[in-house]
Amino acid sequence: DVKVTQSSRYLVKRTGEKVFLECVQDMDHENMFWYRQDPGLGLRLIYFSYDVKMKEKGDIPEGYSVSREKKERFSLILESASTNQTSMYLCASSAGDNSYNSPLHFGNGTRLTVT
Amino acid sequence: AQSVAQPEDQVNVAEGNPLTVKCTYSVSGNPYLFWYVQYPNRGLQFLLKYITGDNLVKGSYGFEAEFNKSQTSFHLKKPSALVSDSALYFCAVNFQGGSYIPTFGRGTSLIVHP
Repeated sequence: DVKVTQSSRYLVKRTGEKVFLECVQDMDHENMFWYRQDPGLGLRLIYFSYDVKMKEKGDIPEGYSVSREKKERFSLILESASTNQTSMYLCASSAGDNSYNSPLHFGNGTRLTVT
Repeated sequence: AQSVAQPEDQVNVAEGNPLTVKCTYSVSGNPYLFWYVQYPNRGLQFLLKYITGDNLVKGSYGFEAEFNKSQTSFHLKKPSALVSDSALYFCAVNFQGGSYIPTFGRGTSLIVHP
């Protein structure tokens, strides 16, 4: 089974801090994604990556950046955390072959609180 | 362009009764449709997908979904609901030749009452 591991389940950070959310997958997937999930808003795509060092903006990239130096690892960075970034963050991966019909595999999420 | 709608924010059903969670979609080509389930404080888990072929797709935990091309729907069903089925359910769509980024619905909260 594919395993997508997010390094922290819960994080509490202060406004203005730089925050790193780490995600590792063990199935050699080409595609990796970062979403945030908020009540009533569903899943919103922040960034995705289709290869090492490649990244593209999703629907809500403002205030975030990402890094993919190795195929298995995709990091989400909050340069200066703000209270409106308090949310559940979900990482996902999918296979590169026939990507449009490959399901996404999600990590368990990181619940970030910014105070 | 692609879009997906889950018209119900919440579905309530008694344990043992059949359940249906609705999903309709809009795509430019042949659709690829997915259902995911999310239990509290967890990530989404893949349940089933429709690519081509049989309109009735069977998935994990006794769930199935019926693809209806004329109604552009892909409703999730289960013949007999369990309390443990209570969770958030997401429908997602992509299409042949599209990107590898599926479009997700906003989710439907399923509550199964004992």
